[in-house]
Amino acid sequence: EVQLVESGGGLVQPGGSLRLSCAASGFTVSSNYMSWVRQAPGKGLEWVSVIYSGGSTYYADSVKGRFTISRDNSKNTLYLQMNSLRAEDTAVYYCALGYSGPGYWGQGTLVTVSS
Amino acid sequence: DIVMTQTPLSLSVTPGQPASISCKSSQSLLHSDGKTYLYWYLQKPGQPPQLLIYEVSNRFSGVPDRFSGSGSGTDFTLKISRVEAEDVGVYYCMQSIQLPPGYTFGQGTKLEIK
Repeated sequence: EVQLVESGGGLVQPGGSLRLSCAASGFTVSSNYMSWVRQAPGKGLEWVSVIYSGGSTYYADSVKGRFTISRDNSKNTLYLQMNSLRAEDTAVYYCALGYSGPGYWGQGTLVTVSS
Repeated sequence: DIVMTQTPLSLSVTPGQPASISCKSSQSLLHSDGKTYLYWYLQKPGQPPQLLIYEVSNRFSGVPDRFSGSGSGTDFTLKISRVEAEDVGVYYCMQSIQLPPGYTFGQGTKLEIK
């Protein structure tokens, strides 16, 4: 059974950093396309970043240069390193499995950027 | 960038009645590989999105057959033949023809029960 469990969210001050984790089971992270999608409070869904099975990474313009997606094959875990955080980065962050249309999502972890 | 536009943004439906949501893309979602990269998701209150329909008209595993998708090119529709109480939530269409970089979602359509 596919499972995705996010962690690492919390309250951080503007300009701060946070690393989100997405622990996977039931499949191999390194063999699949994995994404991060976020949802600001009361708003819609926004794609953030993707890592391909071959290792290529891509980012939304809104986070380019500040966020880094990566994975640890030994831990079967996906990460999102978030630096220079802004108030507008406040959202629930979901990890998702799948290429053209993610079919599996975690429950999400809340990131709040506020002083 | 491709813009996805959903209508209506909200609808209220009596249980047992049908419902329909439209999604229009600013560019064709038909890929040269013959597939059309249009997806439908439902986000129930307090839950992550769940995939309902992939590539316009294919129901994902476990999705009831009262959900159906149709359309082509730039115009797409999600239909619920008989709305049930458990169908409440926000429905999103999503395109993934422009990969990389990433997906684009519609604004969402909130379905509530009368």
